[in-house]
Amino acid sequence: DAGVIQSPRHEVTEMGQEVTLRCKPISGHNSLFWYRQTMMRGLELLIYFNNNVPIDDSGMPEDRFSAKMPNASFSTLKIQPSEPRDSAVYFCASSLGPQGISEQYFGPGTRLTVT
Amino acid sequence: GENVEQHPSTLSVQEGDSAVIKCTYSDSASNYFPWYKQELGKRPQLIIDIRSNVGEKKDQRIAVTLNKTAKHFSLHITETQPEDSAVYFCAARDSSASKIIFGSGTRLSIRP
Repeated sequence: DAGVIQSPRHEVTEMGQEVTLRCKPISGHNSLFWYRQTMMRGLELLIYFNNNVPIDDSGMPEDRFSAKMPNASFSTLKIQPSEPRDSAVYFCASSLGPQGISEQYFGPGTRLTVT
Repeated sequence: GENVEQHPSTLSVQEGDSAVIKCTYSDSASNYFPWYKQELGKRPQLIIDIRSNVGEKKDQRIAVTLNKTAKHFSLHITETQPEDSAVYFCAARDSSASKIIFGSGTRLSIRP
């Protein structure tokens, strides 16, 4: 099993540009989570999906952020327009069930730098 | 909602000594408490977890204790080794929102 796959691994973009982060969960997992990690705010849950349906997006910082999960094997997190304060490592994770029911497996992360 | 506090933020111990990291939570209905280890530049990985129906769980050199009355739980690492150096996160499951809330992390350094 390849584990959770994220792309790109690194992204450098200019303020105002659109950024799309991609995630492929572990096959068979039906819950998917997007996290943001910064030194100041630690590890924050942005949104999570169960069976491709968004369950809780209360962690999404603002309307510039959006996430989709069109099918069980793919999800995107989009930032439009991007700002320097969006610079962070974004992790995608998946699990067999909702959080707390089974282990979450994290992807390698995407390091985003907005200049 | 749930709030998780973690202490200390940094911890340095001599190789071979024990390390203890403590967390408190606010939601008395929380019932699942995982611990994650994140090495530098790597992803968080689950190292041990405990559910509210037990008070202690061990896995080799790692143990976690839970005090439901006081709403705190701790990670104990014995006979520390250089590869234990990492950031450790505690977490608690928010029962109302069905999501996990992470603590702020503890950077553990093992001195040779």
